[in-house]
Amino acid sequence: GIQVEQSPPDLILQEGANSTLRCNFSDSVNNLQWFHQNPWGQLINLFYIPSGTKQNGRLSATTVATERYSLLYISSSQTTDSGVYFCAVPSSNTGKLIFGQGTTLQVKP
Amino acid sequence: DVKVTQSSRYLVKRTGEKVFLECVQDMDHENMFWYRQDPGLGLRLIYFSYDVKMKEKGDIPEGYSVSREKKERFSLILESASTNQTSMYLCASSWGQGITDTQYFGPGTRLTVL
Repeated sequence: GIQVEQSPPDLILQEGANSTLRCNFSDSVNNLQWFHQNPWGQLINLFYIPSGTKQNGRLSATTVATERYSLLYISSSQTTDSGVYFCAVPSSNTGKLIFGQGTTLQVKP
Repeated sequence: DVKVTQSSRYLVKRTGEKVFLECVQDMDHENMFWYRQDPGLGLRLIYFSYDVKMKEKGDIPEGYSVSREKKERFSLILESASTNQTSMYLCASSWGQGITDTQYFGPGTRLTVL
């Protein structure tokens, strides 16, 4: 089945810094989703981005489907950005969402 | 706003007990999902449902069953809880015919089986 790898696994930033999170996937996909899980466990969908670039405030995402990767940019990070970021893609044979292992982000004040 | 609620945030049960985890969504979504989340393993799909009374096995269905008697409610059942089912359980729902449409998650239930 499709493999999803996220990097880096852990990231520590000082408040105000920028960061880039990466999601690689092993097969062609027709959609990709980014989620943020806050320290209390709540998962929030950030982007539904099969291709191209989308922006939402300080966050933006780019998916290059032909090269099988997606990037999540966080600019001017804030402590509330802390948590785990997941990307997820549909399995080619089952259609179910397959999640990466996540990137754990800690933003220090 | 989509709202997905789960019956408990924290739950402690004993080995062998029958455990019910309830999930309710208020957006008339077709699809509902149960995942478990464990450190180092990410989210893994247990079961999903694309319609009332319909269910499909996910990647790790063993030891679990589900029930969807009403469109808004999806229940996860542990018939005989075991310590290896200690985990964070997340419910999600999505609209539409595709099960990979944008998913909306509940706050999670952290289950401990002693």
